Amino acid sequence: AQSVTQLGSHVSVSEGALVLLRCNYSSSVPPYLFWYVQYPNQGLQLLLKYTTGATLVKGINGFEAEFKKSETSFHLTKPSAHMSDAAEYFCAVTLGGWRGGNKLTFGTGTQLKVEL
Amino acid sequence: DAGVIQSPRHEVTEMGQEVTLRCKPISGHNSLFWYRQTMMRGLELLIYFNNNVPIDDSGMPEDRFSAKMPNASFSTLKIQPSEPRDSAVYFCASSPGGLSTFGSGTRLTVV
Repeated sequence: AQSVTQLGSHVSVSEGALVLLRCNYSSSVPPYLFWYVQYPNQGLQLLLKYTTGATLVKGINGFEAEFKKSETSFHLTKPSAHMSDAAEYFCAVTLGGWRGGNKLTFGTGTQLKVEL
Repeated sequence: DAGVIQSPRHEVTEMGQEVTLRCKPISGHNSLFWYRQTMMRGLELLIYFNNNVPIDDSGMPEDRFSAKMPNASFSTLKIQPSEPRDSAVYFCASSPGGLSTFGSGTRLTVV
């Protein structure tokens, strides 16, 4: 079985401040991990993914995440928040390899608010 | 590429009515997924198809829900009869065997 836990359903940061969104996973096999972003009334857009190789992955819009197997974590960070980053962010996991039909198990989401 | 296309974008229906949601996957993608998003339960996988064949429908909540994929370019998710608790955003996603691309969703309201 696989699952993800996102700590904090709401995170608020000031513009220019560090963004840190937390995600911990549980998987019986090496996981593939993803972060998606959802803007209001829109679908899900892939921010970044970890499959194999380098554990620090860079995504779009200046976001990056680090896969830490020892901590079973895949936290999302951005050095400097921008107002346009305000959205809901979802961490997701699938079985290692593209087995299981790439079924994604999502976390409950973190709503990011960026304040002036 | 137009991406994954879902219709309608919004649907309001009365309890007891049949509702059909539609999805056109990206051409060449051989996997198709239906997800449901609610405040209470977040994003849940309902069913997925591989090469038009349903592989796993364990997420379908009950017999009122059914999904079909008659060909590689079209899928439907039907709810009959609909209930207020079915109100949610339903997403379709397709994949060529790797990353999924999501549609913009159908917001269903059952009154």
